[in-house]
Amino acid sequence: SQQGEEDPQALSIQEGENATMNCSYKTSINNLQWYRQNSGRGLVHLILIRSNEREKHSGRLRVTLDTSKKSSSLLITASRAADTASYFCATDRASNTGKLIFGQGTTLQVKP
Amino acid sequence: KAGVTQTPRYLIKTRGQQVTLSCSPISGHRSVSWYQQTPGQGLQFLFEYFSETQRNKGNFPGRFSGRQFSNSRSEMNVSTLELGDSALYLCASSSGGVAYNEQFFGPGTRLTVL
Repeated sequence: SQQGEEDPQALSIQEGENATMNCSYKTSINNLQWYRQNSGRGLVHLILIRSNEREKHSGRLRVTLDTSKKSSSLLITASRAADTASYFCATDRASNTGKLIFGQGTTLQVKP
Repeated sequence: KAGVTQTPRYLIKTRGQQVTLSCSPISGHRSVSWYQQTPGQGLQFLFEYFSETQRNKGNFPGRFSGRQFSNSRSEMNVSTLELGDSALYLCASSSGGVAYNEQFFGPGTRLTVL
């Protein structure tokens, strides 16, 4: 079963705009990760944020984590057509389990 | 470093047959996890192997099994295939140590059951 939900399910923006995706989860977590998937292909790891961190940056990506609200957000700034993909958050409840629980994903379309 | 590789990339089988999928993790990674992705259920965890031992298992029937070899390569097997087993099967590798389960995925094997 899914750990949580992602919002919105679909997002369409123009190139150059910012895209924000949200993820909520149900149980306490060890860390939260964001992945990108292009057209049913493999998942590309974007960023990992630990449960004791509140914000993390990587290039044009900014991730926040609010453990009190059991939610995270992924912000992509200055979006590009190449950012068109599905984005998933994934959580694990403990270290060393190798088990990630994924959200349902947000489909992002960036129009040139 | 080479990434995670999966073979075959595409597979077509008929109901009742069995199938074996292979995954080679990133060099030095000892943990391999398997996931099933379908449009209806999304991404679901199948099982994880670490140092040739199954360390965690998801809620899938016993028809789904796996193993890991001493070189960390892993295989998963699905017996008595059903139409609902049609999916993208993804494997992921990680160091498996006390790090934060950062997992790196392969391109997947797309299985179609007719």
